[in-house]
Amino acid sequence: AQSVSQHNHHVILSEAASLELGCNYSYGGTVNLFWYVQYPGQHLQLLLKYFSGDPLVKGIKGFEAEFIKSKFSFNLRKPSVQWSDTAEYFCAVNKKSSYKLIFGSGTRLLVRP
Amino acid sequence: NAGVTQTPKFRVLKTGQSMTLLCAQDMNHEYMYWYRQDPGMGLRLIHYSVGEGTTAKGEVPDGYNVSRLKKQNFLLGLESAAPSQTSVYFCASYGGLRGETQYFGPGTRLLVL
Repeated sequence: AQSVSQHNHHVILSEAASLELGCNYSYGGTVNLFWYVQYPGQHLQLLLKYFSGDPLVKGIKGFEAEFIKSKFSFNLRKPSVQWSDTAEYFCAVNKKSSYKLIFGSGTRLLVRP
Repeated sequence: NAGVTQTPKFRVLKTGQSMTLLCAQDMNHEYMYWYRQDPGMGLRLIHYSVGEGTTAKGEVPDGYNVSRLKKQNFLLGLESAAPSQTSVYFCASYGGLRGETQYFGPGTRLLVL
């Protein structure tokens, strides 16, 4: 069965530190990849997505992610985090032929001022 | 354009009680989904619908039923609530177009005592 792994469950950083959150998926076919963010008390919002083309994808709020097909990975990065980036981050995958998303377990990020 | 809305926002039930969660979308989307979110487990798909009058089971369907009598509405029912169904429930919709993604509602927090 298709699965998504997020290895970091909790991450604590100071403001201005760099961020990298790992995401690996198990499906071997063609996939679409997503990162969602959930700020405290709010619903999920799309940060960025990859469907095809340039494997380096830029999203909102200075986030980017790189799709490395050979490693089945789609890691999220931000060069300098802010206190307002405190949130939970979810990686999600779906097969090109599917309309169902498979989510990772999430990573809680706490940014200390 | 309200996007995806959910009612109620919060509910407390006693074990054995029943309730219905309502999801509504105004984007004319064909696909709609119900997820539950539990700490450390990400979002898990309960049921989904690929169009008016159709529903299908997701990853964790037991104890839930759904109906999609109108295209814009997707109802999630709990016939006999159990404490294990304490969770945050999110509805999502998707238009099915290439490059698009799922849009999420604000969530319903359910506590079953």
